[in-house]
Amino acid sequence: GAVVSQHPSWVICKSGTSVKIECRSLDFQATTMFWYRQFPKQSLMLMATSNEGSKATYEQGVEKDKFLINHASLTLSTLTVTSAHPEDSSFYICSAPPAGVGGELFFGEGSRLTVL
Amino acid sequence: GENVEQHPSTLSVQEGDSAVIKCTYSDSASNYFPWYKQELGKRPQLIIDIRSNVGEKKDQRIAVTLNKTAKHFSLHITETQPEDSAVYFCAASIPWGGGSNYKLTFGKGTLLTVNP
Repeated sequence: GAVVSQHPSWVICKSGTSVKIECRSLDFQATTMFWYRQFPKQSLMLMATSNEGSKATYEQGVEKDKFLINHASLTLSTLTVTSAHPEDSSFYICSAPPAGVGGELFFGEGSRLTVL
Repeated sequence: GENVEQHPSTLSVQEGDSAVIKCTYSDSASNYFPWYKQELGKRPQLIIDIRSNVGEKKDQRIAVTLNKTAKHFSLHITETQPEDSAVYFCAASIPWGGGSNYKLTFGKGTLLTVNP
């Protein structure tokens, strides 16, 4: 199956700093990527849809100025958590649908962010 | 938007027994229903999926049924094994982007424990 790689897997940062998470499709091109957030023992909540070459589409309640998304190429999308606070600590996971597969999403490994 | 309800939230079975997880969805336009298995700290893995033009699909010990009229679908795991223990998520998807992409809405998850 298609491979989606996410980096870093773990990140610890101080409150007020920014953190960038990368999501790469390794063997296919992805014009769209999805970013999810998962709090402990909870489900995956869609944060935003990343669109190559255009602005991301954010879900209701997600601050676009806090969670900056850039989809600069067909294989890379980045999520930057700006001015992180402890409540931003979570498991962030990206996914991408290979074109033509017909629905299946391939997930990255996830990035666990801890804000001190 | 789409709303997916999943039950039960926790399920404990004895090894060898069957496990059934049920989901309902709200949007009749949804036409793709995947099931994901997620082990602690890892990415969700697709275990089976079904499309709206099919009522049932089976893959070895795993089966999924779909009732479009009632808007519900179920995951059935037979002859459960301890390694089946994980969190299982159902999802429903509406096509968008001209039908070439799917945006998933996840259920809240079911923690399945298979006791040896």
